[in-house]
Amino acid sequence: QQQVKQSPQSLIVQKGGISIINCAYENTAFDYFPWYQQFPGKGPALLIAIRPDVSEKKEGRFTISFNKSAKQFSLHIMDSQPGDSATYFCAASSPGAAGNKLTFGGGTRVLVKP
Amino acid sequence: DTGVSQDPRHKITKRGQNVTFRCDPISEHNRLYWYRQTLGQGPEFLTYFQNEAQLEKSRLLSDRFSAERPKGSFSTLEIQRTEQGDSAMYLCASSPSSSSPLHFGNGTRLTVT
Repeated sequence: QQQVKQSPQSLIVQKGGISIINCAYENTAFDYFPWYQQFPGKGPALLIAIRPDVSEKKEGRFTISFNKSAKQFSLHIMDSQPGDSATYFCAASSPGAAGNKLTFGGGTRVLVKP
Repeated sequence: DTGVSQDPRHKITKRGQNVTFRCDPISEHNRLYWYRQTLGQGPEFLTYFQNEAQLEKSRLLSDRFSAERPKGSFSTLEIQRTEQGDSAMYLCASSPSSSSPLHFGNGTRLTVT
């Protein structure tokens, strides 16, 4: 059962454009929603994260929008740069014995064209 | 570099052989996680340690898989009688607490021929 669904699988954006990636979750116990960035041959690296008590969080060019009632959250990359070309994963976790155990979405491969 | 360290980076083995991977977490991170990532997919949780105690195992972790963290520091993941379906990237992550983010290593890529 895929608890976190991510779309699109891939996207191409021009330099300076906006990249938007969407995720939907099913488990209402999830209370932490991070986004990870992964380059080829590397492990995922935390980009930005949000908890459901806020609807939006911005860090530099990266913004998470969160809709608790719809059980959806999204990542917006503003002024996309070629260096942003990577695979992005949304994830979610719930309180429990494994604490911050993450359930990941399927990933979105972003290509920023110069 | 004081990040999560994994060894080896790459492993090619023949079907039926046993393999062992090592993970050294960030110093003083008492929580350690193993994930598996197949090509084009997101990482999937395998198992979790708090200090030396293995507190949770995914049903993905068949009886051919075993993980240890004997002194609460480094961890090993062993796969016995490898199968082609075991080919994947095995990622290790660590965290200092349940409210802190996971820090991932660069993984061990396993290829079973």
